[in-house]
Amino acid sequence: GAGVSQSPSNKVTEKGKDVELRCDPISGHTALYWYRQSLGQGLEFLIYFQGNSAPDKSGLPSDRFSAERTGGSVSTLTIQRTQQEDSAVYLCASSLGWGLNTGELFFGEGSRLTVL
Amino acid sequence: GNSVTQMEGPVTLSEEAFLTINCTYTATGYPSLFWYVQYPGEGLQLLLKATKADDKGSNKGFEATYRKETTSFHLEKGSVQVSDSAVYFCALISSGSARQLTFGSGTQLTVLP
Repeated sequence: GAGVSQSPSNKVTEKGKDVELRCDPISGHTALYWYRQSLGQGLEFLIYFQGNSAPDKSGLPSDRFSAERTGGSVSTLTIQRTQQEDSAVYLCASSLGWGLNTGELFFGEGSRLTVL
Repeated sequence: GNSVTQMEGPVTLSEEAFLTINCTYTATGYPSLFWYVQYPGEGLQLLLKATKADDKGSNKGFEATYRKETTSFHLEKGSVQVSDSAVYFCALISSGSARQLTFGSGTQLTVLP
């Protein structure tokens, strides 16, 4: 597509439920990144993919968080047993390639998650 | 590890005022430096960048100079407009193997007519 697309744009869930957030990167971009933006804080790096591989998962806050990418395109970030501290805006970005990453990332508008 | 510290907001200015948003960094190697902007209801977008010491990045009237001696990359604009109201993020990418962007906490700018 023309830009990075994320869905849902807004999600309200109850504590303890699982949620899935989807990211559709720019066509041809092999690198995909997930960040979390919490109120009053900067962007926290979660995970990146080069193709379908995620070489570094150390940014994921806990084992309740997981992410996958299939077909080198769409990625899903899954949060299990959500907690109130998971409330944030989850941002996805893509770039031409990790090895070609010059720092210019193309961001989606984000998925705002609210855990009640 | 890498880190970015930027001026806390919010910053409120009148139209045509001079803007400075301070940014300092800590990084291994020789990082590239960036300013990203997030307009209301939109995703982050790259505003400008500088890849080596003494480089000046510029775009839309904004400028920032890569100062290695002070590890700084302050954002400036001589005359702000209402349309510049947004959140501004300073960021860096290291020349090492951890090639993900490290962001500052963001500075909310509001420009009043």
